[in-house]
Amino acid sequence: QVYLQQSGPGLVKPSQTLSLICAISGDSVSSNSATWSWIRQSPSRGLEWLGRTYYRSKWFYNYAVSVKGRITINPDTSKNQFSLQLNSVTPEDTAVYYCARGYGGNIDSWGRGTLVTVSS
Amino acid sequence: QSVLTQPPSASGTPGQRVTISCSGGSSNIGRNTANWYQQLPGTAPKLLIYSSNQRPSGVPDRFSGSKSGTSASLAISGLQSEDDADYFCAAWDDSLSGWVFGGGTKLTVL
Repeated sequence: QVYLQQSGPGLVKPSQTLSLICAISGDSVSSNSATWSWIRQSPSRGLEWLGRTYYRSKWFYNYAVSVKGRITINPDTSKNQFSLQLNSVTPEDTAVYYCARGYGGNIDSWGRGTLVTVSS
Repeated sequence: QSVLTQPPSASGTPGQRVTISCSGGSSNIGRNTANWYQQLPGTAPKLLIYSSNQRPSGVPDRFSGSKSGTSASLAISGLQSEDDADYFCAAWDDSLSGWVFGGGTKLTVL
């Protein structure tokens, strides 16, 4: 049973960087079978996949077009976790952010979610 | 505007059978399987159906999924009050190289 523990600030100022961490229990960020995604949910945009990282002999990254250029997802093998950084945020980036595991081609486990509000 | 299209609402009375549709395209549901998630208020989505028609362990067999062409469906039989929730479909999109979701269907058990 995988468990994803999210952490990070709930309030970010406009133009600054949103940073979240997802700590993994019950699986490895370096697993050759899993992928590790960030997804957000807001009333205006619904559920929106932001990007993922995964390891298949080397690290791979996929990012959604909507946030490409502003997003970085990084694995941290020493702490068995992965992170999200979203730069130059605006109020439109206000959402509940989830980390999630992909396994067998399906997103099967989600973190509890972190409400991030972008406001001065 | 979500890539996958779901009806915004559905309803039924206890014991009834309801079906929720999810319409996609050739690059997502047309090529890949669909997942369904249940989301209760204030909680994260929970995987209900994967690979279009498979149930994770612990999900009651009242929930079933199917796929035909570029559409997928979720059926809930023997509706119960605890099924009152939001339901989302999802699929990998080969053109976008990312996951896409439906806008969600709010199921009300009357």
